[in-house]
Amino acid sequence: ETGVTQSPTHLIKTRGQQVTLRCSSQSGHNTVSWYQQALGQGPQFIFQYYREEENGRGNFPPRFSGLQFPNYSSELNVNALELDDSALYLCASSSGGAQETQYFGPGTRLLVL
Amino acid sequence: KQEVTQIPAALSVPEGENLVLNCSFTDSAIYNLQWFRQDPGKGLTSLLLIQSSQREQTSGRLNASLDKSSGRSTLYIAASQPGDSATYLCAVRPGGQNFVFGPGTRLSVLP
Repeated sequence: ETGVTQSPTHLIKTRGQQVTLRCSSQSGHNTVSWYQQALGQGPQFIFQYYREEENGRGNFPPRFSGLQFPNYSSELNVNALELDDSALYLCASSSGGAQETQYFGPGTRLLVL
Repeated sequence: KQEVTQIPAALSVPEGENLVLNCSFTDSAIYNLQWFRQDPGKGLTSLLLIQSSQREQTSGRLNASLDKSSGRSTLYIAASQPGDSATYLCAVRPGGQNFVFGPGTRLSVLP
């Protein structure tokens, strides 16, 4: 059984650019959630995808968007990057259901200059 | 709006001590509560998951309790070791939504 993987591990962008982060969910999981973790804070929920449809969204602007593919892997896209977007972006997969645990990937560290 | 707080923000203890980390949440309508460990710059490792109908869960030297009515959970770590040094995050799941995390407690266990 493979765990959750994310790519790239680190990324440096400049303000105004666009970025795409990728996540491969754990085998057998059909639900992917994305979180943003600023330095020294707990993760904040961005959105969740279930069977290729967005299934819940946190308090993030529309320039944060996502996709889920038929193999349940996922992308997080951020347009018009701002300095405050610098954070660790975490992906978590689960088999769905509110009582199921989520398994987190190692994260992508994004730095916006 | 669900809010999660954790006390203390940071804790430093000598090796071998037993310790308690505290988590409070404002809305008792939760599906479950989960404790995670995070090493510096890394992802989250699940430690214990407590469903809303449960009072506690144990794994090795870790014991987590849940008191939904008072909006509190504690994580007890017995006989702490330097390898336990990390940030411990508490997260609740309100209804069917995703986790709401606390800010974490940064633990240092000194040899």
